[in-house]
Amino acid sequence: SQQGEEDPQALSIQEGENATMNCSYKTSINNLQWYRQNSGRGLVHLILIRSNEREKHSGRLRVTLDTSKKSSSLLITASRAADTASYFCATASNTNAGKSTFGDGTTLTVKP
Amino acid sequence: ETGVTQSPTHLIKTRGQQVTLRCSSQSGHNTVSWYQQALGQGPQFIFQYYREEENGRGNFPPRFSGLQFPNYSSELNVNALELDDSALYLCASSLGLGLGDEQFFGPGTRLTVL
Repeated sequence: SQQGEEDPQALSIQEGENATMNCSYKTSINNLQWYRQNSGRGLVHLILIRSNEREKHSGRLRVTLDTSKKSSSLLITASRAADTASYFCATASNTNAGKSTFGDGTTLTVKP
Repeated sequence: ETGVTQSPTHLIKTRGQQVTLRCSSQSGHNTVSWYQQALGQGPQFIFQYYREEENGRGNFPPRFSGLQFPNYSSELNVNALELDDSALYLCASSLGLGLGDEQFFGPGTRLTVL
């Protein structure tokens, strides 16, 4: 099974609302990354958070990491229709150097 | 745009055939990773190349093979295609092998096996 598992599988909100997606993983990690993918195209890197960090911000994005619970969350504030996409978390660790392990993603729909 | 390019964009093959997919990494990047993404799932790691040598492989059979060239571009070859090989194939380049290196993904090649 995948290392990272996103929750919920699908999320539908109105423009202007906040969207929160969660990611859980099983083994210890060095870092966790969040990606966005629009309709079966390539992945766009959003944020990387290292295991010794608890929170990072980038524009309207806020990522938290709780290594004791082996979980991370991605918050998108003041969502826009253009945020409609699938969001994936990917983990990397010393035990699988070179390999990013992805979950199956959260599909976010932002209605105008 | 990330600067990572892949060709072709779409490809249709029949069972048993062979296919070669190509990836040009971002300028200055010496590491290329390949991923397979089935519909509705996350990308699955196939293998990674660093300075022309394979550096790590996921749970894929030997009929999935690759190459990296001196200019760090890369090929993914799949022999004896099966229906389940139908997927989006993504390559990603990065500056090195460091665990903190950001990967830049190409737009992908959509392979359909009939």
